Amino acid sequence: GENVEQHPSTLSVQEGDSAVIKCTYSDSASNYFPWYKQELGKGPQLIIDIRSNVGEKKDQRIAVTLNKTAKHFSLHITETQPEDSAVYFCAHRGGGAQKLVFGQGTRLTINP
Amino acid sequence: NAGVTQTPKFRVLKTGQSMTLLCAQDMNHEYMYWYRQDPGMGLRLIHYSVGEGTTAKGEVPDGYNVSRLKKQNFLLGLESAAPSQTSVYFCASRWTGEETQYFGPGTRLLVL
Repeated sequence: GENVEQHPSTLSVQEGDSAVIKCTYSDSASNYFPWYKQELGKGPQLIIDIRSNVGEKKDQRIAVTLNKTAKHFSLHITETQPEDSAVYFCAHRGGGAQKLVFGQGTRLTINP
Repeated sequence: NAGVTQTPKFRVLKTGQSMTLLCAQDMNHEYMYWYRQDPGMGLRLIHYSVGEGTTAKGEVPDGYNVSRLKKQNFLLGLESAAPSQTSVYFCASRWTGEETQYFGPGTRLLVL
């Protein structure tokens, strides 16, 4: 019940276009959903997160949406730039849990 | 602040050898985590600690042991390395009062 499925595994978009990555979870108790970005040769870094009492959150060009009924959440990146090229991981945490469960990752490539 | 540091950066082991990976953080974080990252499988939690002197199992604990004798250090041990333990290992830490996990730069381990 803890797993999270992330799609797609790879995504290639033209610079300036939008990118969307989706994750699906099964644990109804999940209440925290972060997204991490991993640049080449580095550790992951939090870029945005959302809690279960909110449906959408934006931070400049990135946004996260949450559909608790359907148990999925998505990362949206608009006006993509070359520096957005990285691996992105979704994650979730069940209520009361002290650990995150990560998705499989999406390798995003921005083509100039 | 150095943040989260990991030692060593890269190591080659022969099957059956043992080694210890060191994670150190200077942010006075209570929680510390060890993950392994494999292609197509995302980040999987090996062990974690909610405070000095405490440890708990994650998703994939078999073949690994951990110790948290000091708050700032979290050690991951491989008693008898196997080729299946070839991976990139990441350590992370977080403060009790916030959700964000801060990751180290990773240790690349090759077991021959």
